[in-house]
This record gives sequence, C-alpha cells and structure tokens, in this order.
Amino acid sequence: DGGITQSPKYLFRKEGQNVTLSCEQNLNHDAMYWYRQDPGQGLRLIYYSQIVNDFQKGDIAEGYSVSREKKESFPLTVTSAQKNPTAFYLCASSGQLAGEQYFGPGTRLTVT
Amino acid sequence: GENVEQHPSTLSVQEGDSAVIKCTYSDSASNYFPWYKQELGKGPQLIIDIRSNVGEKKDQRIAVTLNKTAKHFSLHITETQPEDSAVYFCAEYSSASKIIFGSGTRLSIRP
Repeated sequence: DGGITQSPKYLFRKEGQNVTLSCEQNLNHDAMYWYRQDPGQGLRLIYYSQIVNDFQKGDIAEGYSVSREKKESFPLTVTSAQKNPTAFYLCASSGQLAGEQYFGPGTRLTVT
Repeated sequence: GENVEQHPSTLSVQEGDSAVIKCTYSDSASNYFPWYKQELGKGPQLIIDIRSNVGEKKDQRIAVTLNKTAKHFSLHITETQPEDSAVYFCAEYSSASKIIFGSGTRLSIRP
C-alpha cells in the first residue's frame, strides 16, 4: 500500500520547545515538500528537497529546519524561534512531474 | 512574482446543480494545472489536471477547461453530491518554477 505517512496526527507542545514532525514515503519519489496551512487559508511552502542530502527554503522557512538523509524520509523541526507555530502541517512528495504532488494526512500542531 | 488567483472563496450549491471554480495565473511559462480536493482534517488529493496543450479534460462528473490566451482555467463539477463538499485548490506549475497554489474554495452542497 504505497503512500505518504505523517505522524503523529495531533501534537501538543509547550512554547519554547522544539518539535519534530515525521514524514515518510514509499512512492520512490525524489522530491519532498513541507507546507503549512492555517485555518481558512491556502498552502504555504516551508522547505523542499529534490534529492537526498539537499534541500531549499520555501516562502516561510524562518523558524523551521529539515533534513533529508534518506530518500524516504523528510522530517521537519519546528524550533522555538517560530513565532506562531500552531498550524496544520502537510508533507508531500512528487515524482518526475513536480506539479503532481501526493500529500500525507497532515499533522495538527498546537503550541501553548 | 507568480501567483494564482482563485474565485470564489466560498460556494454553496443545491445538490444536483453544477459548481464552477475559476483560477487566473500570471506565469506564461506554466504548462501544468492540477486541481486538488481537501476534505476536512485530511491532506489534499489530486482529482484532475490539465496540460497546456489541451483545452478541456473530463473525468466523469468533473471537468477542467484551460484558456491559455486569457491565462485562466476552471473546474466544473456537474450533478453535485454531498461528498463533493470540500475545499478545492487550483495550482499552476512550470518546469522553471515550483508549484503555486490558489487560496482555495470551500464548496458546500445543500441537500
């Protein structure tokens, strides 16, 4: 059963703590992405990676960090420097056509 | 910079009627236009797409049209059903750029 998994589905953290969101794919896709979605809004790109051991900042990278040590995995760390981290986070991957993206189920992060 | 304008932001239609969502893009190099459906609490799912060398594409009750001259494309859903209720996103993509999403349309189907 191929696809993208994100865990956990819900995550709660105290302000000032770093938190890492998991994203795994078994689609053999080279490219992976992280998006942030706020209530009633569209998708904003945080980071993307087109190949292992390489990644680029998206439109709202400040306060976030990523790694891409394996093709299948692209974890996102929300650091304490992110001023407003509470949001719905979506991971996606794409094959040869970057516009055709496959999304995971998302992680809803709440920081209090 | 490149952007995609999507209208309307909310749409309510009677079950069985048609729904139309429109998007306008700015990058003339864009050549791929996907549409995504996002159900509550889930990730978006690709439902239909169109490439720049095609003017229209249909898949059962959904269709997409593209007008490259005017730089706009539309999603048409006919004979709407309750399960069509969701948020729909248009997007544009060119090989020289990353994918850019519209701001979304919340579609509600009234019984």
